[in-house]
Amino acid sequence: GAVVSQHPSRVICKSGTSVKIECRSLDFQATTMFWYRQFPKQSLMLMATSNEGSKATYEQGVEKDKFLINHASLTLSTLTVTSAHPEDSSFYICSARPTYDRGENYGYTFGSGTRLTVV
Amino acid sequence: AQSVTQLDSQVPVFEEAPVELRCNYSSSVSVYLFWYVQYPNQGLQLLLKYLSGSTLVKGINGFEAEFNKSQTSFHLRKPSVHISDTAEYFCAVSVKAAGNKLTFGGGTRVLVKP
Repeated sequence: GAVVSQHPSRVICKSGTSVKIECRSLDFQATTMFWYRQFPKQSLMLMATSNEGSKATYEQGVEKDKFLINHASLTLSTLTVTSAHPEDSSFYICSARPTYDRGENYGYTFGSGTRLTVV
Repeated sequence: AQSVTQLDSQVPVFEEAPVELRCNYSSSVSVYLFWYVQYPNQGLQLLLKYLSGSTLVKGINGFEAEFNKSQTSFHLRKPSVHISDTAEYFCAVSVKAAGNKLTFGGGTRVLVKP
Protein backbone atom coordinates (compact mmCIF):
# COMPACT_ATOMS: atom_id res chain seq x y z
CA GLY A 1 0.00 0.00 0.00
CA ALA A 2 0.89 3.66 -0.20
CA VAL A 3 3.34 4.76 2.48
CA VAL A 4 4.23 8.27 3.58
CA SER A 5 7.34 8.80 5.64
CA GLN A 6 7.59 11.89 7.82
CA HIS A 7 10.83 12.93 9.45
CA PRO A 8 11.75 13.72 12.15
CA SER A 9 9.16 12.22 14.46
CA ARG A 10 10.21 14.48 17.30
CA VAL A 11 12.28 17.64 17.40
CA ILE A 12 13.16 20.11 20.11
CA CYS A 13 14.57 23.43 19.06
CA LYS A 14 15.47 26.72 20.63
CA SER A 15 13.31 29.75 20.19
CA GLY A 16 14.36 31.75 17.16
CA THR A 17 15.77 28.86 15.18
CA SER A 18 14.24 27.18 12.12
CA VAL A 19 13.13 23.59 11.79
CA LYS A 20 12.55 21.59 8.64
CA ILE A 21 10.10 18.70 8.46
CA GLU A 22 10.16 16.28 5.54
CA CYS A 23 7.28 14.36 4.05
CA ARG A 24 8.11 11.65 1.53
CA SER A 25 5.88 9.37 -0.47
CA LEU A 26 7.85 6.13 -0.57
CA ASP A 27 6.17 4.03 -3.22
CA PHE A 28 4.09 6.48 -5.21
CA GLN A 29 4.25 9.91 -6.73
CA ALA A 30 2.24 12.66 -5.13
CA THR A 31 1.45 15.81 -7.04
CA THR A 32 -0.41 17.12 -4.04
CA MET A 33 0.52 16.97 -0.38
CA PHE A 34 -1.22 18.55 2.57
CA TRP A 35 0.17 19.90 5.82
CA TYR A 36 -1.86 19.86 9.02
CA ARG A 37 -1.35 21.11 12.52
CA GLN A 38 -2.84 19.43 15.55
CA PHE A 39 -2.97 20.86 19.04
CA PRO A 40 -3.28 18.51 22.02
CA LYS A 41 -6.65 16.78 22.16
CA GLN A 42 -7.87 18.73 19.16
CA SER A 43 -8.63 18.05 15.56
CA LEU A 44 -6.41 18.54 12.55
CA MET A 45 -6.33 21.97 11.00
CA LEU A 46 -5.24 22.23 7.39
CA MET A 47 -2.37 24.67 7.05
CA ALA A 48 -1.59 24.48 3.36
CA THR A 49 -1.83 22.48 0.19
CA SER A 50 1.49 21.75 -1.43
CA ASN A 51 1.62 21.27 -5.19
CA GLU A 52 4.69 19.94 -6.95
CA GLY A 53 6.44 22.60 -8.97
CA SER A 54 4.27 25.49 -7.84
CA LYS A 55 3.62 27.65 -4.84
CA ALA A 56 1.72 26.24 -1.92
CA THR A 57 -1.79 27.37 -1.18
CA TYR A 58 -2.15 28.48 2.41
CA GLU A 59 -5.31 28.45 4.46
CA GLN A 60 -6.62 31.68 5.88
CA GLY A 61 -4.72 32.78 8.94
CA VAL A 62 -1.58 30.74 8.22
CA GLU A 63 1.53 32.87 7.85
CA LYS A 64 3.30 32.06 4.60
CA ASP A 65 6.61 33.50 5.73
CA LYS A 66 6.43 31.58 8.96
CA PHE A 67 5.64 28.21 7.49
CA LEU A 68 7.62 27.74 4.30
CA ILE A 69 6.56 24.88 2.09
CA ASN A 70 8.61 23.44 -0.73
CA HIS A 71 7.38 20.65 -2.99
CA ALA A 72 10.34 20.31 -5.32
CA SER A 73 9.71 16.74 -6.45
CA LEU A 74 6.84 14.32 -6.85
CA THR A 75 7.90 12.43 -3.73
CA LEU A 76 9.04 15.13 -1.32
CA SER A 77 7.47 18.10 0.38
CA THR A 78 9.09 20.03 3.20
CA LEU A 79 7.68 22.34 5.83
CA THR A 80 10.08 24.77 7.43
CA VAL A 81 9.02 26.55 10.58
CA THR A 82 11.06 29.72 10.56
CA SER A 83 12.08 31.66 13.65
CA ALA A 84 10.19 29.22 15.80
CA HIS A 85 8.59 30.33 19.04
CA PRO A 86 7.01 28.32 21.87
CA GLU A 87 3.53 28.93 20.43
CA ASP A 88 4.61 27.02 17.32
CA SER A 89 4.96 23.90 19.42
CA SER A 90 2.51 21.41 18.03
CA PHE A 91 2.04 18.12 16.20
CA TYR A 92 2.47 18.53 12.45
CA ILE A 93 1.14 15.91 10.06
CA CYS A 94 1.44 15.62 6.32
CA SER A 95 -0.66 13.65 3.90
CA ALA A 96 -0.23 12.81 0.26
CA ARG A 97 -2.51 11.85 -2.56
CA PRO A 98 -1.18 9.69 -5.38
CA THR A 99 -0.84 11.37 -8.74
CA TYR A 100 -2.72 8.51 -10.37
CA ASP A 101 -5.72 9.16 -8.09
CA ARG A 102 -8.03 11.19 -10.26
CA GLY A 103 -10.85 11.21 -7.81
CA GLU A 104 -12.06 7.66 -8.02
CA ASN A 105 -10.46 6.51 -4.81
CA TYR A 106 -9.54 9.65 -2.93
CA GLY A 107 -6.72 7.87 -1.20
CA TYR A 108 -5.12 10.15 1.34
CA THR A 109 -2.14 8.60 3.09
CA PHE A 110 -0.87 10.27 6.23
CA GLY A 111 2.59 10.50 7.66
CA SER A 112 3.21 9.53 11.27
CA GLY A 113 3.54 13.13 12.37
CA THR A 114 6.23 15.36 13.87
CA ARG A 115 6.04 16.65 17.40
CA LEU A 116 7.75 20.01 17.53
CA THR A 117 8.70 21.50 20.88
CA VAL A 118 10.16 24.99 20.92
CA VAL A 119 11.95 25.92 24.14
CA ALA B 1 -17.93 25.60 2.83
CA GLN B 2 -18.40 22.23 4.41
CA SER B 3 -18.23 21.39 8.10
CA VAL B 4 -18.17 18.26 10.22
CA THR B 5 -19.58 17.76 13.70
CA GLN B 6 -18.72 14.84 15.90
CA LEU B 7 -21.29 14.94 18.62
CA ASP B 8 -19.33 13.05 21.25
CA SER B 9 -15.89 14.18 22.33
CA GLN B 10 -15.35 11.08 24.45
CA VAL B 11 -16.97 7.66 24.50
CA PRO B 12 -16.14 5.18 27.25
CA VAL B 13 -17.12 1.61 26.44
CA PHE B 14 -16.51 -1.79 27.94
CA GLU B 15 -14.57 -4.42 26.08
CA GLU B 16 -16.72 -6.59 23.78
CA ALA B 17 -19.57 -4.06 23.90
CA PRO B 18 -20.78 -2.28 20.76
CA VAL B 19 -19.88 1.31 20.02
CA GLU B 20 -21.30 3.99 17.77
CA LEU B 21 -19.54 7.23 16.96
CA ARG B 22 -21.73 9.94 15.54
CA CYS B 23 -20.80 12.22 12.69
CA ASN B 24 -22.90 14.86 10.95
CA TYR B 25 -21.78 17.03 8.10
CA SER B 26 -22.92 20.15 6.34
CA SER B 27 -22.29 20.87 2.70
CA SER B 28 -24.12 22.49 -0.17
CA VAL B 29 -22.61 20.03 -2.65
CA SER B 30 -21.99 16.32 -2.77
CA VAL B 31 -19.21 15.05 -0.54
CA TYR B 32 -16.98 12.10 0.04
CA LEU B 33 -16.90 10.86 3.63
CA PHE B 34 -14.12 9.26 5.65
CA TRP B 35 -13.38 7.86 9.06
CA TYR B 36 -9.82 7.84 10.35
CA VAL B 37 -8.25 6.47 13.53
CA GLN B 38 -5.31 8.02 15.31
CA TYR B 39 -3.26 6.25 17.96
CA PRO B 40 -1.16 8.35 20.37
CA ASN B 41 1.64 10.29 18.70
CA GLN B 42 0.90 8.79 15.33
CA GLY B 43 -0.59 9.87 12.06
CA LEU B 44 -4.00 8.91 10.79
CA GLN B 45 -5.05 5.57 9.42
CA LEU B 46 -8.02 5.24 7.11
CA LEU B 47 -10.79 3.03 8.51
CA LEU B 48 -13.27 3.38 5.69
CA LYS B 49 -14.66 5.79 3.12
CA TYR B 50 -17.87 6.46 1.28
CA LEU B 51 -17.55 7.65 -2.30
CA SER B 52 -20.76 6.41 -3.90
CA GLY B 53 -22.97 3.36 -4.19
CA SER B 54 -24.07 1.30 -1.21
CA THR B 55 -24.70 3.44 1.83
CA LEU B 56 -23.33 0.80 4.17
CA VAL B 57 -19.59 0.81 4.08
CA LYS B 58 -17.38 -1.80 5.67
CA GLY B 59 -13.87 -0.97 6.74
CA ILE B 60 -10.90 -2.45 8.49
CA ASN B 61 -10.81 -3.87 12.02
CA GLY B 62 -14.50 -4.71 11.99
CA PHE B 63 -15.77 -1.15 11.63
CA GLU B 64 -18.62 -0.09 9.41
CA ALA B 65 -20.44 3.14 8.72
CA GLU B 66 -23.71 4.11 7.14
CA PHE B 67 -24.21 7.14 4.95
CA ASN B 68 -27.58 8.82 5.44
CA LYS B 69 -28.04 11.61 2.97
CA SER B 70 -31.35 12.88 4.35
CA GLN B 71 -29.87 13.20 7.83
CA THR B 72 -26.44 14.23 6.55
CA SER B 73 -24.86 11.67 8.82
CA PHE B 74 -22.09 9.10 8.58
CA HIS B 75 -22.06 7.24 11.89
CA LEU B 76 -19.35 4.70 12.64
CA ARG B 77 -20.11 1.42 14.40
CA LYS B 78 -18.38 -1.66 15.70
CA PRO B 79 -20.37 -4.53 17.21
CA SER B 80 -17.71 -5.62 19.68
CA VAL B 81 -14.73 -3.50 20.66
CA HIS B 82 -11.30 -4.56 21.86
CA ILE B 83 -8.88 -2.82 24.18
CA SER B 84 -6.77 -2.07 21.12
CA ASP B 85 -9.59 0.08 19.72
CA THR B 86 -8.76 2.74 22.31
CA ALA B 87 -7.83 5.71 20.13
CA GLU B 88 -9.02 8.98 18.66
CA TYR B 89 -11.45 8.75 15.75
CA PHE B 90 -11.96 11.46 13.19
CA CYS B 91 -14.74 11.90 10.69
CA ALA B 92 -13.83 13.90 7.59
CA VAL B 93 -15.38 15.14 4.37
CA SER B 94 -14.06 16.32 1.08
CA VAL B 95 -15.93 18.08 -1.65
CA LYS B 96 -16.16 16.64 -5.13
CA ALA B 97 -14.31 19.57 -6.62
CA ALA B 98 -10.82 20.72 -7.36
CA GLY B 99 -8.57 20.60 -4.36
CA ASN B 100 -10.42 17.87 -2.51
CA LYS B 101 -9.21 19.10 0.82
CA LEU B 102 -10.25 17.14 3.85
CA THR B 103 -12.25 18.88 6.55
CA PHE B 104 -12.11 17.09 9.88
CA GLY B 105 -14.51 16.87 12.76
CA GLY B 106 -13.34 17.55 16.27
CA GLY B 107 -12.62 13.92 17.00
CA THR B 108 -14.03 11.34 19.40
CA ARG B 109 -11.83 9.70 21.96
CA VAL B 110 -12.81 6.09 22.52
CA LEU B 111 -11.67 4.54 25.76
CA VAL B 112 -12.24 0.80 25.97
CA LYS B 113 -12.38 -0.50 29.50
CA PRO B 114 -11.71 -4.12 30.49
